[in-house]
Amino acid sequence: AQKITQTQPGMFVQEKEAVTLDCTYDTSDPSYGLFWYKQPSSGEMIFLIYQGSYDQQNATEGRYSLNFQKARKSANLVISASQLGDSAMYFCAMREGRNTDKLIFGTGTRLQVFP
Amino acid sequence: DAGVIQSPRHEVTEMGQEVTLRCKPISGHNSLFWYRQTMMRGLELLIYFNNNVPIDDSGMPEDRFSAKMPNASFSTLKIQPSEPRDSAVYFCASSLQDYYNEQFFGPGTRLTVL
Repeated sequence: AQKITQTQPGMFVQEKEAVTLDCTYDTSDPSYGLFWYKQPSSGEMIFLIYQGSYDQQNATEGRYSLNFQKARKSANLVISASQLGDSAMYFCAMREGRNTDKLIFGTGTRLQVFP
Repeated sequence: DAGVIQSPRHEVTEMGQEVTLRCKPISGHNSLFWYRQTMMRGLELLIYFNNNVPIDDSGMPEDRFSAKMPNASFSTLKIQPSEPRDSAVYFCASSLQDYYNEQFFGPGTRLTVL
């Protein structure tokens, strides 16, 4: 079974609108961390936001927020007020357990923001 | 502050040749990761080090791949002999073991094996 599933290969959103990128995960470990990274066309990987499994509140970082639904094992990224510069690949990743730093990445979602 | 530095940025080589990729992590970070990204397999972890010690090398494809971290500021990933299927972008990342353990990625090395 896939540990991280991103079911949307591509998404379109109009500038200034909000968009939700889906991510579901699979683990039986009660301690885990969820990450979102952005990869623009230039290729670098940019950390966006983190959610720990024991965090009581949804993580937020500027225009990024994470809709964490633990029972559903989903950690969707919400980007508010989309900008043209948000066009990129977005990867969800999981660190599973306390005793590892290993990240498992999903296949990514390509977001295109249009004017 | 300098981020993770990787060299070379691009490498083109012929099948059978030895390839060495280099990485300088962010100063003060104590974990270092090597990833490979391809269209077919996505982004996959090859190996990671904590305090210069290899912790998990389960992602290293085969014996042709080896990685070293002789000190806290330098790591290498070597492929010998290289094959066309090794063509990919290789990322190095580093992190500081704190609450987030967020990994900071280098710009990557695009390797093409002809």
